[in-house]
Amino acid sequence: AQSVTQPDIHITVSEGASLELRCNYSYGATPYLFWYVQSPGQGLQLLLKYFSGDTLVQGIKGFEAEFKRSQSSFNLRKPSVHWSDAAEYFCPFMYSGGGADGLTFGKGTHLIIQP
Amino acid sequence: DVKVTQSSRYLVKRTGEKVFLECVQDMDHENMFWYRQDPGLGLRLIYFSYDVKMKEKGDIPEGYSVSREKKERFSLILESASTNQTSMYLCASSFNPVRQYGYTFGSGTRLTVV
Repeated sequence: AQSVTQPDIHITVSEGASLELRCNYSYGATPYLFWYVQSPGQGLQLLLKYFSGDTLVQGIKGFEAEFKRSQSSFNLRKPSVHWSDAAEYFCPFMYSGGGADGLTFGKGTHLIIQP
Repeated sequence: DVKVTQSSRYLVKRTGEKVFLECVQDMDHENMFWYRQDPGLGLRLIYFSYDVKMKEKGDIPEGYSVSREKKERFSLILESASTNQTSMYLCASSFNPVRQYGYTFGSGTRLTVV
């Protein structure tokens, strides 16, 4: 069955430090991969997406992610976090189906920024 | 900017009431989706629609129905609200193919059933 796993429920990072959020998927073929951020009390905003080509993807707000087929991973990185990056992060993926293709979500990673 | 608007940010309803959650998008998207979000469970798909008057069940459709009479509007209906439907409800929309565009989300409706 197709699934996505975000192994870390909570991560705490000091402001200015680097960040890596992990995401692993289980799927038979190359999936279509996304990262979304959800600020407290808000909807989700698209950070970046990957479906082909260069495996290193640049997104908004200084984020990037790298697709590694051999590890079935699509980890999100940022070289220096800001207090405003504190949020919930999701890495859904896409499976192909009839009609609309739906995103499959994991449980998310809650990012805490400490001063 | 693409906008997905959910009519209410917060709702409090009584058990047994019929509840309507409304979602409107202004970008002529073909596809619309309803998710619920609960702590520790992430987002779970309730229903989606890829065209007017078309609907498909998601992973947790029990206790819900939907209506899409116009392309821009997708309504989620709780026929008889129960306390276990207390949750954050998120609407999303997208062009085809979704894998190329991803979703645009609304700000969510936090529903409390008492």
